[in-house]
Amino acid sequence: DVKVTQSSRYLVKRTGEKVFLECVQDMDHENMFWYRQDPGLGLRLIYFSYDVKMKEKGDIPEGYSVSREKKERFSLILESASTNQTSMYLCASSAEGQGGPYEQYFGPGTRLTVT
Amino acid sequence: GIQVEQSPPDLILQEGANSTLRCNFSDSVNNLQWFHQNPWGQLINLFYIPSGTKQNGRLSATTVATERYSLLYISSSQTTDSGVYFCAGGLTGGGNKLTFGTGTQLKVEL
Repeated sequence: DVKVTQSSRYLVKRTGEKVFLECVQDMDHENMFWYRQDPGLGLRLIYFSYDVKMKEKGDIPEGYSVSREKKERFSLILESASTNQTSMYLCASSAEGQGGPYEQYFGPGTRLTVT
Repeated sequence: GIQVEQSPPDLILQEGANSTLRCNFSDSVNNLQWFHQNPWGQLINLFYIPSGTKQNGRLSATTVATERYSLLYISSSQTTDSGVYFCAGGLTGGGNKLTFGTGTQLKVEL
């Protein structure tokens, strides 16, 4: 079974702090994704990575950065946390290559509160 | 980008009832998934269904790619079916990104 793990289920940080959210997958997937989920808005893509050290902006990258130094690990960084970044953060991974399937598999999520 | 519209936004069922959830796409997709988000926030994969029909127990899904919609059928609903159902679609290649709908909140009552 695919397993995607996230470093914390719940996190409380203060405004201005630097925040690291970690995601690890064990299926040798090429693609990894960070989403945030807010009530009524569904999941929105922040950043994704299609290879080690490669990254692309998603739909809402402002205020975030990412790091992918190893294939299995994808980190989301909030350089200076703000209250409007209080949200549920979800990490996912998927395979690449011909033929598919290209299912995304999700971690359990991190509920971040910025006070 | 692709727009994803889900309906209905909310649904309340009596246990044992059947339901159909719909997902419309503004453009063609060849990468489509249905998920169930449980009360603890975990997204569970239900179907990977870019086209055709699949069944898994009481759940089934149909995607008509040429008409840009997908349907999720829940039969003989149970209280454990409660939660939010998301569909998501996109195009393969370039990272296989998905665009999510805003979900259908389902509550199944005894």
